Amino acid sequence: EPEVTQTPSHQVTQMGQEVILRCVPISNHLYFYWYRQILGQKVEFLVSFYNNEISEKSEIFDDQFSVERPDGSNFTLKIRSTKLEDSAMYFCASSRQDSPLHFGNGTRLTVT
Amino acid sequence: GQNIDQPTEMTATEGAIVQINCTYQTSGFNGLFWYQQHAGEAPTFLSYNVLDGLEEKGRFSSFLSRSKGYSYLLLKELQMKDSASYLCAVRSGGFKTIFGAGTRLFVKA
Repeated sequence: EPEVTQTPSHQVTQMGQEVILRCVPISNHLYFYWYRQILGQKVEFLVSFYNNEISEKSEIFDDQFSVERPDGSNFTLKIRSTKLEDSAMYFCASSRQDSPLHFGNGTRLTVT
Repeated sequence: GQNIDQPTEMTATEGAIVQINCTYQTSGFNGLFWYQQHAGEAPTFLSYNVLDGLEEKGRFSSFLSRSKGYSYLLLKELQMKDSASYLCAVRSGGFKTIFGAGTRLFVKA
């Protein structure tokens, strides 16, 4: 069964550094998403992406965040200058129209 | 805005049936999903309701009443491996699916 893949599985970075989290969505899916989950808390929506542009974003997704689909298969989340509170699990997901989200295994980001 | 409420924790016995409730308030409802999440892992899809009524899928069933803003997930013949968090999620419009805080289910022998 096709799956969403995310790399790396764990990223440690220093405060103020830039990080790029990578995702390869399921190939016939057209909708892409990033979510985050701070340890012990709920899964929070960050951004959705369709037709090469952001379709919706949350208040969390401020100017420090950006997303890109640099080629036909990758979907990336960039955090420009990481803060301690950015430490979380970041999940990429993809879907077809009106179908459930399929999640990747996540990237655990630790900011020190 | 959107709001999703579900109980924080539930405990049930192996072999029993458990019902996890979810109430929601949203604009532009476009489907309700249930996901299972084991600690440290990604959410995995369990069920999807967009019309009122019951959807059955093996040991799992999900019910939706759009007029009441209410759904439940029913798990039958509970097994120890069903110990996990169960997440109720609502899609509004086409591009945003919001998750509740999840219900931690403990299955005891």
